Amino acid sequence: DAEITQSPRHKITETGRQVTLACHQTWNHNNMFWYRQDLGHGLRLIHYSYGVQDTNKGEVSDGYSVSRSNTEDLPLTLESAASSQTSVYFCASSDLAGDTGELFFGEGSRLTVL
Amino acid sequence: LAKTTQPISMDSYEGQEVNITCSHNNIATNDYITWYQQFPSQGPRFIIQGYKTKVTNEVASLFIPADRKSSTLSLPRVSLSDTAVYYCLVGDYIRVDTGRRALTFGSGTRLQVQP
Repeated sequence: DAEITQSPRHKITETGRQVTLACHQTWNHNNMFWYRQDLGHGLRLIHYSYGVQDTNKGEVSDGYSVSRSNTEDLPLTLESAASSQTSVYFCASSDLAGDTGELFFGEGSRLTVL
Repeated sequence: LAKTTQPISMDSYEGQEVNITCSHNNIATNDYITWYQQFPSQGPRFIIQGYKTKVTNEVASLFIPADRKSSTLSLPRVSLSDTAVYYCLVGDYIRVDTGRRALTFGSGTRLQVQP
């Protein structure tokens, strides 16, 4: 079955280090998204992509970057991790051609920045 | 992006019908209304989507009045396993030709179902 996977599921890092969270989907979806979730804030959009070589900033993009070199992957990079970036990160994908607009989410990556 | 307003939390008992209302006063003509469910330590899961009137699937019903400024997610006969956070989203990100606007989530409604 097609799926969307995130790795690592848990990571602890130190302030100032570069961190990359991987997201891989096997549905061949054009759209991919990264969200972060913190208590009391629901999910906030970080970056998104509508296809290869396309990336867009979401509402909380400062300190994050993404690249889309193929359809399957959208890695999220924290160039210099900060304690404020401690959060749970969710990757999602959807099919541009789909009528339902359904987002398929990964299981999440819990990041702790010390 | 159309802003949505939902109750922060709701309580119910097993077997009851639960209705969660979402306000979206500035919904655009091309916007669809979508609801997601999220359990602890999991990513959100799609429940239902609609544009107008009523939509029903095996999980829930979605009621949308004619002015589309609000919508109501109806969960029939809830069980303990329906305890989750429910998000209402309004957007049209799949319509590239009308402008790309990625869906954003609000804080959702935390539903607690008691025995």
